[in-house]
Amino acid sequence: SQQGEEDPQALSIQEGENATMNCSYKTSINNLQWYRQNSGRGLVHLILIRSNEREKHSGRLRVTLDTSKKSSSLLITASRAADTASYFCATGGMVGSYIPTFGRGTSLIVHP
Amino acid sequence: NAGVTQTPKFQVLKTGQSMTLQCAQDMNHEYMSWYRQDPGMGLRLIHYSVGAGITDQGEVPNGYNVSRSTTEDFPLRLLSAAPSQTSVYFCASSQNPGERGTEAFFGQGTRLTVV
Repeated sequence: SQQGEEDPQALSIQEGENATMNCSYKTSINNLQWYRQNSGRGLVHLILIRSNEREKHSGRLRVTLDTSKKSSSLLITASRAADTASYFCATGGMVGSYIPTFGRGTSLIVHP
Repeated sequence: NAGVTQTPKFQVLKTGQSMTLQCAQDMNHEYMSWYRQDPGMGLRLIHYSVGAGITDQGEVPNGYNVSRSTTEDFPLRLLSAAPSQTSVYFCASSQNPGERGTEAFFGQGTRLTVV
């Protein structure tokens, strides 16, 4: 079963607005990653946050991690039409397997 | 660098046919994995390999075989295709992620239809 679950499943916003996506997971993790998938393409890595980190930034992306609540959020500030894509969280570092486990994703549409 | 290359990009099979989806990476990565992506289901892990000669099952391994004879290649074999295997298949590779994790690189996918 999938470890991470993104919320909401779909998000529609206007260009310039901020987009926030959440990820909840079930068991303890050592790291969490966010990926982006444009329609018909493979996934592209965005950012990785480790269990001893609470917040991380990369350009217009801000990721938070709350291990006590087993949740993470991805904030995209000042969104652009080109940010339209699906976004997935992936949990990793569990004992026995270091292969990341993906959620179902959030579909983001940014209207110009 | 080509990164992760998957072939073919599209394939239509008849029920019962067998085929091999190819995956090659040129980054000397130890870890390689196969996922399938179905609408509303996200990515589910089929098989993975932590190095040449070592493979293991993921969440949905039934109906699929893998082997890893070289570091570069990780083919996925469908033994007897079924309509339930209609999906988009992604191959990924990474350095040994360990507990700290590391970026995974994905191929462009193979869209498979079984009729």
